[in-house]
Amino acid sequence: KQEVTQIPAALSVPEGENLVLNCSFTDSAIYNLQWFRQDPGKGLTSLLLIQSSQREQTSGRLNASLDKSSGRSTLYIAASQPGDSATYLCAVSPSSLEKQAGTALIFGKGTTLSVSS
Amino acid sequence: ETGVTQTPRHLVMGMTNKKSLKCEQHLGHNAMYWYKQSAKKPLELMFVYSLEERVENNSVPSRFSPECPNSSHLFLHLHTLQPEDSALYLCASSGSVNPQYNSPLHFGNGTRLTVT
Repeated sequence: KQEVTQIPAALSVPEGENLVLNCSFTDSAIYNLQWFRQDPGKGLTSLLLIQSSQREQTSGRLNASLDKSSGRSTLYIAASQPGDSATYLCAVSPSSLEKQAGTALIFGKGTTLSVSS
Repeated sequence: ETGVTQTPRHLVMGMTNKKSLKCEQHLGHNAMYWYKQSAKKPLELMFVYSLEERVENNSVPSRFSPECPNSSHLFLHLHTLQPEDSALYLCASSGSVNPQYNSPLHFGNGTRLTVT
């Protein structure tokens, strides 16, 4: 059974610091891995999607890497800002399911990031 | 107009009430989803629709009844809920339910449901 773990559960950093959020998954049979951001009381915003054949994706100050064989992904945030404060979730789309329908994304519990000015 | 719109944003209901949550997507997507987010737990997939056809029901109690009248609208009808059903209910859409197409999910802001 696929499980997704995110460590740490919470992280506090001063503004300007570079930081790394970690995500691990137990089954390497995945189609893709996605990183989302969730602000308090809001829905999820898709940040990056890495296909299983890719090693990394970049968007602005964000860089996500994927090591499928070891079941790990990292989200690197450069020069953090107070506006980056949010909960970051990763989710995998498992490819070992028999049924085709439904993305059936498996989510981690998230890392809550606080960036102080 | 944002991509995925959910109403209401907040809902308080008694255990004997009947209410409905509404979701509308303006992205031209073919797939729509209901997720439940409870405190300290990962998001749980509830239902999946592809082109108005339900393609997945993730062992959800019958007190939750989804409806998808067209590919842009999705409802979640609620009746005789329990206090443990209090949670944030999130609607999402994607271009395709087929995970091989690697379509990212787009979420609404959710409905915060409190069952008293």
